[in-house]
This record gives sequence, C-alpha cells and structure tokens, in this order.
Amino acid sequence: EVQLVESGGDLVQPGGSLRLSCAASGFSFSSYWMSWVRQAPGKGLEWVANIKKDGSEKYYVGSVQGRFTISRDNAKNSLHLQMNSLGAEDTAVYYCARLNSEWVSFDYLGHGTLVTVSS
Amino acid sequence: DIVMTQSPLSLPVTPGEPASISCRSSQSLLYSNGYNYLHWYLQKPGQSPQLLIYFGSNRAPGVPDRFSGSGSGTDFTLKINRVVAEDVGVYYCMQSLQSLYTFGQGTKLEIK
Repeated sequence: EVQLVESGGDLVQPGGSLRLSCAASGFSFSSYWMSWVRQAPGKGLEWVANIKKDGSEKYYVGSVQGRFTISRDNAKNSLHLQMNSLGAEDTAVYYCARLNSEWVSFDYLGHGTLVTVSS
Repeated sequence: DIVMTQSPLSLPVTPGEPASISCRSSQSLLYSNGYNYLHWYLQKPGQSPQLLIYFGSNRAPGVPDRFSGSGSGTDFTLKINRVVAEDVGVYYCMQSLQSLYTFGQGTKLEIK
C-alpha cells in the first residue's frame, strides 16, 4: 500500500525557516517524480514544487522560487521541503504527492502537515 | 503560466440528478502525443485530494463510472451522471503540460 506521511509542520514567525519531510513507503520511491502541493486555510490547491527521480531537475511555483528548496533522499525514501524567509502567505497545509509518470498527474497525496506563519 | 478557470464555483445538485463542471485553460493542453494534460481531482470534506480523471477522459482506478471527463485543447468538462451524497466536495482541474503546474479555483458541489 502506498503511504506518504508528512511531518515538520509548525508555528513559525515571519522571516523564519522550516523543513518539511515526507516518508514514503509501499512503492519504489526512486522510480517516481515527487511533488509538494499546498492549500491555504479555506482556499484552493496550489502546486509548489516538483523533483525528478534522481533529484537532477527541480521546478517551483514563482511565489516560492529562491526561498524554498525541494530535495530527496532515495536511500531513505524521503522527500523534503526547506522553506526560508517565510511569510503569512505561506500558511497552508502542505501535501506530499507522488507523480504518476505515465499519467503525469498526482496519483497519491499524503494527509498533509500544517505550517502556520504568524507572530 | 497557464491559467485554469473553472465554472461554476458553487454547484448545488439534487441527488440522482446530473452535474457538470467546466474547466478552461489559457493555452491548449493538447500535446503532440495526442494527450490532453488535464486532470480532475476531488477533495472530499476533511480529506486529501484524490485523482478522478487523468488526460482529460481516463478514469483513475476505483473511480465510479458515473464520473466522466471530456474535452480537448482549452475546454474541458467533468460530468457526474447521477450525483450521490458521497460526491460532495470540491472539484479541481489541473494542468501538467508545462513544468509549472496549475490548478483551477475549485468547484464546490453540495447536495440540495
């Protein structure tokens, strides 16, 4: 069974940093592109970042470019999101997602971890 | 970036009646391989989003056949032929043609 379990969400002050993690199991992690998707309270879904199977390619939504870094550790079946210079607009539930390479769509998402940016 | 526009944003439906959601993209999502890189997701209350339809018209495994997707290029439609209570939630379209993916605003389906 595919499982994606996010962790690391917390309350952080504006300008602060946070590192999210996603533990993957039930599939060959190194064979899939992985992504982060977020959802601000009461708002819609927003794609945040993608990372290639071997980590050699990364893509970001414009609003986080230069502040967030997606990474992965295929030996540990884990995905990460380093978030710096956080602002109130980054407050959201962050979902880890598996990108189905054949369908080019997210076929599994985790339950999410909440990041709250507030003083 | 490709802008995705859904309508309506709110959709009250009587159980047993059909429902239809429109999604339009600012650029064609039809790739040279013949596939439209347009997907539909449903987020039920309190849950994570789940994939319903990929490449515009293909149901994901386990998705009931009352759900269907159609369209090509820039205009797409998700149809539910007979709505049931468990279909309540927010429906999103998403494009993955470009490296920077984008979602529509979401359509909230509720039962009358």
